[in-house]
Amino acid sequence: QVQLVQSGVEVRKPGASVKVSCKASGYMFSTYAIHWLRQAPGQRLEWMGWVNCVNGDTTYSQKFQGRITITRDTSASIAYMELSSLRSEDTAVYYCVRNPRGSGYFDYWGQGTLVTVSS
Amino acid sequence: EIVLTQSPGTLSLSPGERATLSCRASQSVTKSYLAWYQQKPGQAPRLLIYGASTKATGIPDRFSGSGSGTDFTLTISRLEPEDFAVYYCQQYGSSFTFGPGTKVDIK
Repeated sequence: QVQLVQSGVEVRKPGASVKVSCKASGYMFSTYAIHWLRQAPGQRLEWMGWVNCVNGDTTYSQKFQGRITITRDTSASIAYMELSSLRSEDTAVYYCVRNPRGSGYFDYWGQGTLVTVSS
Repeated sequence: EIVLTQSPGTLSLSPGERATLSCRASQSVTKSYLAWYQQKPGQAPRLLIYGASTKATGIPDRFSGSGSGTDFTLTISRLEPEDFAVYYCQQYGSSFTFGPGTKVDIK
């Protein structure tokens, strides 16, 4: 069965970086895109960016441009999201999600990774 | 950016009742590129509906989606105990944005 398993809870100080991983299984990794979303406390879900798992091309939300890097390792079926220059407003649950190619909805979700930014 | 508004914020109903949830977009959603998700406490969202009305794999028949342009509806024909949750709409016609959610709780 399709699974996206994310890395565990992270705590960082303001100004630091965090890298969250997302291991995919149960399907051919390169045939789907992986997007990253986040949900801050009391806020709606927010789209951050995505990676084409075939060629590694990325597209980022303008809000995170310059601070976010999404990569993938096709040999290990893992996608990564790194966010730098963290601030308290980045405290959120981060999700990786699978996106059928050519569509824009998200059919499978990781379990979420809580990232807390606090001094 | 397309802003999505959901109403009501909270819907209090009893099992067996019909639930009607609304999602309104600030501008027309291209090709009805609208999805609905269900989220239970401590869990990731689950895809219910895409393309405004197509049910995702394994979603029960009591869930249905409709609408086009700027107005969309998710209907749960008869609420089961496991349906009490938060429901989000998402548009993917122009980038990707989500609504604030509608909580369906037990009356």
